[in-house]
Amino acid sequence: DVKVTQSSRYLVKRTGEKVFLECVQDMDHENMFWYRQDPGLGLRLIYFSYDVKMKEKGDIPEGYSVSREKKERFSLILESASTNQTSMYLCASTFRDRGREQYFGPGTRLTVT
Amino acid sequence: LAKTTQPISMDSYEGQEVNITCSHNNIATNDYITWYQQFPSQGPRFIIQGYKTKVTNEVASLFIPADRKSSTLSLPRVSLSDTAVYYCLVGDMGTGGFKTIFGAGTRLFVKA
Repeated sequence: DVKVTQSSRYLVKRTGEKVFLECVQDMDHENMFWYRQDPGLGLRLIYFSYDVKMKEKGDIPEGYSVSREKKERFSLILESASTNQTSMYLCASTFRDRGREQYFGPGTRLTVT
Repeated sequence: LAKTTQPISMDSYEGQEVNITCSHNNIATNDYITWYQQFPSQGPRFIIQGYKTKVTNEVASLFIPADRKSSTLSLPRVSLSDTAVYYCLVGDMGTGGFKTIFGAGTRLFVKA
């Protein structure tokens, strides 16, 4: 079974803090993704990576950065957290040639106060 | 990427067949249609995908008419545990870099 794990299920941070969200997958997938999910808006793509050290912006990259130093790990970084970044963050991964079939982690609910 | 339109919510009863239709008028030649299911407090889960006609797996069927401007996810004999949000996605995400759009989805509520 594919396993995508995220470092925390719940996280509370203060405005201005630097926040790291970690995602690890165990299926040797080339592609990894970070989404945020907000009520009524569905899932919105923040960044994705198709290889180690490679990244591309998604639909809403502002205020975020990412890091992919190893194939299995994809990190989302909030350089200076703001209250409008309070959200559910979901990580996903997939094989390069099977991008439509994404495997998601359980999500991290981040609250910025 | 083609924009999709789905009903916001649907109600059903246990044992009924549920059909959720998705409109995607601007679908491109290379685009596939993919459906995901999401339970509360979990990430979405891939259900089914197709390009044209009909696809069936152990969970659902996907019907795609010849013009491919819409698709219908069919869930046979739903149970309470099928209560979830269902997302329709359209795009060519087979290889390389791509972007994907999850809309607001359809919230299905199955009643006893």
